[in-house]
Amino acid sequence: EPEVTQTPSHQVTQMGQEVILRCVPISNHLYFYWYRQILGQKVEFLVSFYNNEISEKSEIFDDQFSVERPDGSNFTLKIRSTKLEDSAMYFCASRDRGLEKLFFGSGTQLSVL
Amino acid sequence: QQPVQSPQAVILREGEDAVINCSSSKALYSVHWYRQKHGEAPIFLMILLKGGEQKGHDKISASFNEKKQQSSLYLTASQLSYSGTYFCGTSPYNAGNMLTFGGGTRLMVKP
Repeated sequence: EPEVTQTPSHQVTQMGQEVILRCVPISNHLYFYWYRQILGQKVEFLVSFYNNEISEKSEIFDDQFSVERPDGSNFTLKIRSTKLEDSAMYFCASRDRGLEKLFFGSGTQLSVL
Repeated sequence: QQPVQSPQAVILREGEDAVINCSSSKALYSVHWYRQKHGEAPIFLMILLKGGEQKGHDKISASFNEKKQQSSLYLTASQLSYSGTYFCGTSPYNAGNMLTFGGGTRLMVKP
């Protein structure tokens, strides 16, 4: 089965530093998402992206966050100035046209020290 | 607003049945069910659309009551592999762009 690929699997950074989390969605998918999950808690929606623009974003996705699809394959999440509370597992997901299932990547564990 | 799941945790013996509920205060178009094992990504189980349909595969099925804005996941004759955290995700739209997940139900199946 096709997979969503995320890199790196673990990222450790200092508070205030910028991080970029990378994702390669499934090739024919059109909708892309970032979710995060703080340890032991629920999966929280951050942002959805379609047709090269953000279609929806949550309250969590403030000015410190941005997303890009710099080429035909990658989908990135940038956090400009990380805070301790940004420590979480970040999941990328993608789906095809229509109401279909989300395919999640295996996640990037971000630790902000 | 996130959907509410109940119970928060369930412990079963292998072969027993369980029901996990998901309710929303908003009118829903669809409900998604995912299972997540510790340290792994959520894995899709099924989607239910408004209209009260019931779906299932293997011994896992679900129903969606549009009027009550509720969905239930039924796990029959549970297996050890069913252990994990089950999340319902809800969407008020017909495109599922913003899927909001509930708090999760931790299921542990013991031999």
